[in-house]
Amino acid sequence: QVQLQESGPGLVKPSQSLSLTCSVSGVSISSDDFYWTWIRQHPGKALEWIGNIYFSGNTYYNPSLKSRVTISLDTSKNQFSLRLNSVTAADTAVYYCARVPFFGGTNYYYYYMDVWGKGAAVTVSS
Amino acid sequence: DIQMTQSPSSLSASVGDRVTITCRASQTIRNYLNWYQQKPGEAPKLLIYAASSLQYDVPSRFSGSGSGTAFTLTISSLQPEDFATYHCQQSFSHPWTFGQGTKVDI
Repeated sequence: QVQLQESGPGLVKPSQSLSLTCSVSGVSISSDDFYWTWIRQHPGKALEWIGNIYFSGNTYYNPSLKSRVTISLDTSKNQFSLRLNSVTAADTAVYYCARVPFFGGTNYYYYYMDVWGKGAAVTVSS
Repeated sequence: DIQMTQSPSSLSASVGDRVTITCRASQTIRNYLNWYQQKPGEAPKLLIYAASSLQYDVPSRFSGSGSGTAFTLTISSLQPEDFATYHCQQSFSHPWTFGQGTKVDI
């Protein structure tokens, strides 16, 4: 059974960095069958895609956050992490990690998020 | 960025009703469209991927259709456990984007 679990501080001061870890069990993050992703949801708002990482280390980030975000892998611990720099109150949200299978042809692949963590609530406040 | 717009934003329905939710993309996304269900305090759950493919553990009363810019999620006979918020999401191009959600309540 595949499970993902987010962990990290629930309170971060403005201008500091937000760091979250997603611990994965039941599947290796070194598998070439999946991407791994971070999504966030502001209170009462739509979901927002933050970025993806592949086992090779290739990353794709939302341009709206690209200058502040880093997603990385720790294959020895079967974890992947999110770091968001220079946070403000606008970064207060529930942060989810998820697994992203993909399939398709040569030019286009179908991607979808099939297993999610329970989410980690992060508040940015002094 | 591709904008995803869902309608309605909320709807009231009864058990046994047929419910249809629409999702429109600001440009063609072919059939690179996924649907998720989210209950309060929980993570989203995948229902439909590639516009019409049912995730393996999802009841057959859920179905998806559409291509290009217009998509629908249909619940053929609403059950008590289906009262939730539904989100569409495009994976045609980065950045992946979601609709604003449709809340289904009594």
